Amino acid sequence: GENVEQHPSTLSVQEGDSAVIKCTYSDSASNYFPWYKQELGKRPQLIIDIRSNVGEKKDQRIAVTLNKTAKHFSLHITETQPEDSAVYFCAAAGRYGGSQGNLIFGKGTKLSVKP
Amino acid sequence: DGGITQSPKYLFRKEGQNVTLSCEQNLNHDAMYWYRQDPGQGLRLIYYSQIVNDFQKGDIAEGYSVSREKKESFPLTVTSAQKNPTAFYLCASSMGAPSWSNQPQHFGDGTRLSIL
Repeated sequence: GENVEQHPSTLSVQEGDSAVIKCTYSDSASNYFPWYKQELGKRPQLIIDIRSNVGEKKDQRIAVTLNKTAKHFSLHITETQPEDSAVYFCAAAGRYGGSQGNLIFGKGTKLSVKP
Repeated sequence: DGGITQSPKYLFRKEGQNVTLSCEQNLNHDAMYWYRQDPGQGLRLIYYSQIVNDFQKGDIAEGYSVSREKKESFPLTVTSAQKNPTAFYLCASSMGAPSWSNQPQHFGDGTRLSIL
């Protein structure tokens, strides 16, 4: 089955700097890669996603890149702000029991943005 | 997302007791999911349902049961067989599609379950 590895587990940056979180996946058939932001005690919220027919996607200060050959994808946050502090999860849609489509999540990256 | 409602927010279970967590969605989504979240573990899939009256086990289904009698409802029962139930439980839903996988999942606010 699919396996998703996420690094680093914690990341601390100064306000205004960039942050990069990387994930690798094992199932070459995976074709959907969302990123979620979860603030303490709250629900995960989808912040950006990318499908396998696209190499990069941007939404204001957030971008995701996908390298299908190497089976890795990354989240880039530019001009970080204190409100970006949260836990970020990557996920990949892999196969499960013959029914493709269940998301497999990485273990999360705790991002701290220092003012 | 306001379209997925989980209740209660906090729940306490006594030894030998079954408890049921509620999840309701008004997004007209076909697929619904239950995840368990432990510190440092990310989200792990317990059960999922692609359509009414059908559901499948996820990675950690032992000690849990579900039902899907209505499209908008997907309750999760944590049975006494689940020996370590303390966790944050998240319900999610997504649109159905011919290839139903590539749809964003939207989460509820979660239920935090603890042992008394």
